[in-house]
Amino acid sequence: EVQLVESGGGLVQPGGSLRLSCAVSGFTFRTYDMHWVRQTTGRGLEWVSGIGTAGDTYYADSVKGRFTISREDAENSFYLQMNSLRAGDTAVYYCARVGCDGDCYDYWGQGVLVAVSS
Amino acid sequence: SYVLTQPPSVSVAPGQTARITCGGNNIGSKSVHWYQQRPGQAPVLVVYDDSDRPSGIPERFSGSNSGNTATLTISRVEAGDEADYYCQVWDSSSDHWVFGGGTKLTVL
Repeated sequence: EVQLVESGGGLVQPGGSLRLSCAVSGFTFRTYDMHWVRQTTGRGLEWVSGIGTAGDTYYADSVKGRFTISREDAENSFYLQMNSLRAGDTAVYYCARVGCDGDCYDYWGQGVLVAVSS
Repeated sequence: SYVLTQPPSVSVAPGQTARITCGGNNIGSKSVHWYQQRPGQAPVLVVYDDSDRPSGIPERFSGSNSGNTATLTISRVEAGDEADYYCQVWDSSSDHWVFGGGTKLTVL
């Protein structure tokens, strides 16, 4: 059974940092691209960042230069280092597996809440 | 950047057909994917590559894509289909993955 489990969320002050983790099981992690998608309260989904099997990385314009995505295949995990956090980054963050030859998200985690507030 | 436009809400009576649109410039040239999100839950892929269904998704869910509009069609709507639905594409020109704003389906 494919499982993705996020951790590392919480309350942080503006300008602060957090590191999200996504631990996966049930599939050969090193052969899949992995992404982060967020959802603000009562709003829609927003793609945040992605990492390919070769370590190539992609970022939404709203987080480029502040967030860093990484992966550790030996640990079946990938991460999102979030720096210089802003109130607008407050959201539920989902990790997701990329399917459909790199286009869609076929499995999602349950989500973790990041709240940026003083 | 590429923009996907969805109606904020669609309402349908049980047993009827719901159609949710997703508009984008020449979206017919892209692969469109659809997700269902029930309150408090993570999104679930219900249609991928315009019209294919993942295993476990009922045949009542179907999709089409042509020109500037993609459509998710839910036949014989049930109360359990009440949820938010999002379309999504990969924009090759920017290497960005893009979501529509979402449509809330209400079953009357």
